[in-house]
Amino acid sequence: EAQVTQNPRYLITVTGKKLTVTCSQNMNHEYMSWYRQDPGLGLRQIYYSMNVEVTDKGDVPEGYKVSRKEKRNFPLILESPSPNQTSLYFCASSDSYGYTFGSGTRLTVV
Amino acid sequence: AQSVTQPDIHITVSEGASLELRCNYSYGATPYLFWYVQSPGQGLQLLLKYFSGDTLVQGIKGFEAEFKRSQSSFNLRKPSVHWSDAAEYFCAVGAQYGGATNKLIFGTGTLLAVQP
Repeated sequence: EAQVTQNPRYLITVTGKKLTVTCSQNMNHEYMSWYRQDPGLGLRQIYYSMNVEVTDKGDVPEGYKVSRKEKRNFPLILESPSPNQTSLYFCASSDSYGYTFGSGTRLTVV
Repeated sequence: AQSVTQPDIHITVSEGASLELRCNYSYGATPYLFWYVQSPGQGLQLLLKYFSGDTLVQGIKGFEAEFKRSQSSFNLRKPSVHWSDAAEYFCAVGAQYGGATNKLIFGTGTLLAVQP
């Protein structure tokens, strides 16, 4: 089954403790991206990658890092999480037919 | 600037009534248009998409949308709403580049409540 897999689904962490949210896709897509969803703001793109070792900032990149060492994986890294990064995060991959989203990661930073 | 506007933050309809959710976009290139639905605590499910061709697009769950270039709109419709349609609906616009659909720009969503 074609899918995007994110882990974990839920995460509660403390301010300043580095964390990584993993994302993997099995569709051989070149384009992958991360979004965050906040009430009243819809979804906003954090980072995207057009291929291995090619990444770029989206609309809200501050406080986040990404890497793309393999085509299937696109982890999101929060080196020093802060409470304003409490949000629902979605990973996605896309081809010419559109986007496939992961199930989401609900992150709470206390 | 590229943007998507969903003017209705919250809509309540009676079960069995018709539904129309509005979406207007501002996009410089030829737009690719999407509607997604998100049930509480769930991820995003694609309802339908428009890339080209017939401007009336059929989707899943009995939804349809009509692309009107002159009005920069892509409104979502359903002739008879079911209680299970209660969810949040997002309109999005994107474009093709390098063989992939690149960044999607989302509206802020419309929360649909369905009364018995």
